[in-house]
Amino acid sequence: GAVVSQHPSWVICKSGTSVKIECRSLDFQATTMFWYRQFPKQSLMLMATSNEGSKATYEQGVEKDKFLINHASLTLSTLTVTSAHPEDSSFYICSARLPLGDTQYFGPGTRLTVL
Amino acid sequence: DAKTTQPTSMDCAEGRAANLPCNHSTISGNEYVYWYRQIHSQGPQYIIHGLKNNETNEMASLIITEDRKSSTLILPHATLRDTAVYYCIVRVGSGNTPLVFGKGTRLSVIA
Repeated sequence: GAVVSQHPSWVICKSGTSVKIECRSLDFQATTMFWYRQFPKQSLMLMATSNEGSKATYEQGVEKDKFLINHASLTLSTLTVTSAHPEDSSFYICSARLPLGDTQYFGPGTRLTVL
Repeated sequence: DAKTTQPTSMDCAEGRAANLPCNHSTISGNEYVYWYRQIHSQGPQYIIHGLKNNETNEMASLIITEDRKSSTLILPHATLRDTAVYYCIVRVGSGNTPLVFGKGTRLSVIA
């Protein structure tokens, strides 16, 4: 299947700092990428849809000014958690869909721990 | 909200077939049934999907009832590495609609 990578795989930061997570589609161009968040023992929750060259679409309850999404190229989307707090500690997973395809592929996830 | 219902957990003996059920009684005519699994601390892995015909690939088989209101994912010879949470999701096949995850079924393969 198609490959989606994320960097970093894990990060620990101090409260109040910002953290950037990268999501790349390695062998295909993705006009649309999706960002999910997963708390322990819970399912994945969709945060936002990232569209190349335009503003992201955020799900209800997700603060767009706190979770900045940039999709500047067809192979890269970034999620920046601004002024992170301990409650932002979670497993962040990106996903991309093949162009003209119906299958969505997921990255390996980034575990964020805010102290 | 997820449009599917799955059992919370299941056990399966290693080497035996694992049959994971999913109810999707409100599925629309243009919605596909997708199956993904998530091994602990990893991103979800695509397994298989189908519209109305049964499907098979190297990982699993998908059996969809004629009325499309339910389906079963079959892992023919479960191994310990198949221990994971399995998600059944319905979604339209085209467009940019994202996958919406329910709680899934936690499958434990036992030696």
